[in-house]
Amino acid sequence: NAGVTQTPKFRILKIGQSMTLQCTQDMNHNYMYWYRQDPGMGLKLIYYSVGAGITDKGEVPNGYNVSRSTTEDFPLRLELAAPSQTSVYFCASSYGGTRGGEQYFGPGTRLTVT
Amino acid sequence: AQKITQTQPGMFVQEKEAVTLDCTYDTSDPSYGLFWYKQPSSGEMIFLIYQGSYDQQNATEGRYSLNFQKARKSANLVISASQLGDSAMYFCAMRPNAGNNRKLIWGLGTSLAVNP
Repeated sequence: NAGVTQTPKFRILKIGQSMTLQCTQDMNHNYMYWYRQDPGMGLKLIYYSVGAGITDKGEVPNGYNVSRSTTEDFPLRLELAAPSQTSVYFCASSYGGTRGGEQYFGPGTRLTVT
Repeated sequence: AQKITQTQPGMFVQEKEAVTLDCTYDTSDPSYGLFWYKQPSSGEMIFLIYQGSYDQQNATEGRYSLNFQKARKSANLVISASQLGDSAMYFCAMRPNAGNNRKLIWGLGTSLAVNP
């Protein structure tokens, strides 16, 4: 199992550009999440999904969009990139049990907007 | 309000000694899970240990144990026999079981440095 994979690992965007961060998991998890982590800070939830076709906003959704057409994939779209979106982005997945259900993380994408 | 508090921004420990990282939580949900994650300087988030709110015994995973005191709403991580590779950020998180989203509430983390 590859677990959770993210591409790209690094990206530099100019202000106003758009891009999609890819996330794929091969663990058949229903739940998937996108986080951002600013330098020296904790994780903030951007969007999450409880299954294919179902997505919802987290704490900081402005400037982002997601889709979940399959169980495996959960891409994050940045429209009109701004310097405030410079961050490390993590995708995570988990299964739905009430016991355990730890989130498994991808390696992250380091994004710089200049 | 549901919240995780990690009061130690930074901690130092001597190699081979034990260290306790503090975590307190606030929730009104009767059923919840508590998690600890490690983030080394390379950046990945690594799951360490889980404790369910109804578990009678403290969770253990190798050198990691979770000191769960439900009445005090604390879930401290104990690392025994510290190793240089334990130097990292450590995050405590809570997942209330009410609702269907399985979202985690995260603390701000504690930076641990292990000295040789």
